[in-house]
This record gives sequence, structure tokens and C-alpha cells, in this order.
Amino acid sequence: AQSVTQLDSQVPVFEEAPVELRCNYSSSVSVYLFWYVQYPNQGLQLLLKYLSGSTLVKGINGFEAEFNKSQTSFHLRKPSVHISDTAEYFCAVSSDNNAGNMLTFGGGTRLMVKP
Amino acid sequence: DGGITQSPKYLFRKEGQNVTLSCEQNLNHDAMYWYRQDPGQGLRLIYYSQIVNDFQKGDIAEGYSVSREKKESFPLTVTSAQKNPTAFYLCASRTDPTSNSPLHFGNGTRLTVT
Repeated sequence: AQSVTQLDSQVPVFEEAPVELRCNYSSSVSVYLFWYVQYPNQGLQLLLKYLSGSTLVKGINGFEAEFNKSQTSFHLRKPSVHISDTAEYFCAVSSDNNAGNMLTFGGGTRLMVKP
Repeated sequence: DGGITQSPKYLFRKEGQNVTLSCEQNLNHDAMYWYRQDPGQGLRLIYYSQIVNDFQKGDIAEGYSVSREKKESFPLTVTSAQKNPTAFYLCASRTDPTSNSPLHFGNGTRLTVT
């Protein structure tokens, strides 16, 4: 079975500071990794995805993530956050060993950007 | 614009009543999903459908039912058997259920049962 752990439920940070949201996964086979963002009372939007190839993945809104197979991690980073980045962020994993390539989501990290 | 439409955005019901949440997509996606979101618990899969007239239970299907009579539509019924139905419900779709394409989400329905 696959699982995802987002180590921080909340991350407060000042505007223009860098941020890292942590995500660790467990799976016994090749994985595919995703980060989604959710603004209040809305659905989830895809930020970025890792399917194969380069381990450094760039997404929308200046976010990037690095796939680290040895540490089973896919941490999300942004060098300088804006107030508008305040939202909840979800890491998700899919793998080839489950029927229908189902996504498993982490519990989410609430990013709170302060002026 | 293509997308997923969930309606209504807010829904209030009395305990003991069944309620149906609508989900329509015009993306021509084969697969559709229903998730439940509770604070601090992420998203949990209720039901999914990979093709018309077929659907499977997810991790928390008890107290819920679905149908998939048309490719575009995947309504979710929350029955009176669901012990704790108050939650935010998200519908999603995907081009190919066997691929690793990302999910596209609707804007959700917030259900409050009193």
C-alpha cells in the first residue's frame, strides 16, 4: 500500500521569505508525485507533477519540487512567497501497483503568509 | 471553457434525509471520482468510476451511493446511513483511469446536516 505524510500541518512564514513544505511517501514500486493547492472553499489545482525524468520539477506560481528517491521525499519550495500564496497544499502519490493508478493524498499543509 | 461543475456550492439538510450532490464535466474524461474532505484529514476517496455504467467503492463508501449513466455526470447521494455526513465534497475527473494523468477538480459542495 502507498501512503503520504505531510510533516507539517501549518507553516507560518513572512512575505518574501523562502518556504519549504515537506512531503514523504511510501511505496514499493515506481511512484508518480503531485502537489496541489487549494484556496478557501475551492477545489484543488495542480501545482506540479513528477512522472519521470529530471528530479527537479518546476510548477506554476514560482513553485518547484525535488524528487528524492533515496529519502522518499518530494518537498515543495518557493524562494520568495507572496500573501496570495496563503492556501492549503496537498501532496499526492500514485503508483503502478494499484488498480486504476489511484491517488493517495497527504493530510495537507496550511501555508500562512504574513505581511 | 472545459471544466467540472459541482452544484450546489452549499447544501443544508436535516438528519435522516437523503441528499444528492451533482457533478458534471465537459472535459470528455473517462474517469470520475468523489472525495470527502474533513479538516486535517486530507482527501478520502468515496467512489470512483472508470467508465460509464460502472463504478467501484473507495475507502469510505459506507452510507453513500453513486450512478454513472452518462459520461459527463457522476452524482453522489449521501444517505441517512452515513453517520457523519457534514463535510466538504469534491468531485474530480481524469482523462484515462489507467494513466498517471493529474486529476481535475470541481469547486466542491459544502454539506451541512443538522
